[in-house]
Amino acid sequence: QSALTQPRSVSGSPGQSVTISCTGSSNDIGAYNYVSWYQHHPGQAPKLMIYDVNKRPSGVPDRFSGSRSGNAASLTISGLQAEDEGDYYCCSFAGNSVHYVFGTGTEVTVL
Amino acid sequence: QVQLVQSGAEVKRPGASVKLSCKASGYSLSSNFFHWVRQAPGQGPEWMGTIHPDGDTTTYAQTLQGRLTVTRDTATSTFYMELSSLRSEDTAVYYCAREAPSAAKNFDFWGQGTLVTVSS
Repeated sequence: QSALTQPRSVSGSPGQSVTISCTGSSNDIGAYNYVSWYQHHPGQAPKLMIYDVNKRPSGVPDRFSGSRSGNAASLTISGLQAEDEGDYYCCSFAGNSVHYVFGTGTEVTVL
Repeated sequence: QVQLVQSGAEVKRPGASVKLSCKASGYSLSSNFFHWVRQAPGQGPEWMGTIHPDGDTTTYAQTLQGRLTVTRDTATSTFYMELSSLRSEDTAVYYCAREAPSAAKNFDFWGQGTLVTVSS
């Protein structure tokens, strides 16, 4: 099972919006409503930002939103802030054989 | 609050085994699936395996079948991951993660990670 494909990096100025794409297949993103997104700062524990495609855990700012179209998912950060810098990974459940696949990761830079 | 605290970094020779721990607090261990995920240098995370809330049933990634063992010690609220026959490709940061109780198939709390280096 191949990893989900993400852009290597995205950047934006404070206050702008950025969108991170996550491309999978009909065996993972396209098959299940279990797409999640994680923010990761090296040396720290990853943090759940979006689950079930478009739901936000308590405590995650509403400038983070998720969506899906076909076999691809997206994470949008609106009103970019300096604290949003870091690495972001998507993840999808892929059935009871493969279980979970993660994305290749995207580095978000606030200019 | 929920906390997952992992054991320290390890350096191992090829062919050896490594056993990592993840001590959980702030929730009931018998209420969630628990997972191990690793991330090799320059790569995305890779799901490794899970242990059922019953503490006995485990499921492993096909690529790690036969080398991976995940266990739980309820008395000490600690999960363990043992990987045998180590090879250089197993060099990675290893994470433990709890599956969200109200959002299955999502990982709501993670450990801080443990670096395992496999080198001769």
